[in-house]
Amino acid sequence: EPEVTQTPSHQVTQMGQEVILRCVPISNHLYFYWYRQILGQKVEFLVSFYNNEISEKSEIFDDQFSVERPDGSNFTLKIRSTKLEDSAMYFCASRMRQGMSGNEQFFGPGTRLTVL
Amino acid sequence: DAKTTQPTSMDCAEGRAANLPCNHSTISGNEYVYWYRQIHSQGPQYIIHGLKNNETNEMASLIITEDRKSSTLILPHATLRDTAVYYCIVRSNTGNQFYFGTGTSLTVIP
Repeated sequence: EPEVTQTPSHQVTQMGQEVILRCVPISNHLYFYWYRQILGQKVEFLVSFYNNEISEKSEIFDDQFSVERPDGSNFTLKIRSTKLEDSAMYFCASRMRQGMSGNEQFFGPGTRLTVL
Repeated sequence: DAKTTQPTSMDCAEGRAANLPCNHSTISGNEYVYWYRQIHSQGPQYIIHGLKNNETNEMASLIITEDRKSSTLILPHATLRDTAVYYCIVRSNTGNQFYFGTGTSLTVIP
């Protein structure tokens, strides 16, 4: 069964450093998402991406964050200058299309980001 | 997107049916009910969704009341591996993001 994959599973970085989190969505999916979950808290939406552009973003997704689909398979989240409060699990998700079927989002296993 | 209300936690005996309720009294006509679960710190896992009719798949059944103001997720024979946080989410078909609340922490007891 096709699944969303994410690398790395755990990333440790120093405050102020740039990090890139990588995701490979399910191959025939068209919509891509990033969520994060700070330890012990809710899963929070960051950004959605469709047709090579951001379609929606939350207040969390400020100028320090960017997303890119550099090729036909990868979807990346970049944090330019990490802060301690960026420590969290970051989940990538994808879905096929709008409509009654195919609207469910499928999540990857997550990348645990630890900022020291 | 409409808000949902779920009990904070529930227990269920292994092998018995787990019935997880969700209230969504402000749901509008084009909004679907989705259920996801999260086992420990893994990525949320899609379970099932529906609009008006009851739905069943290999994982669970979804019962939606006629007025659509509440629903119940049924895991017919709960196993220890079903211990997880279960999220009921209401979202329109054209919406982008899912709003995850605090969900119901289900513990399946041997």
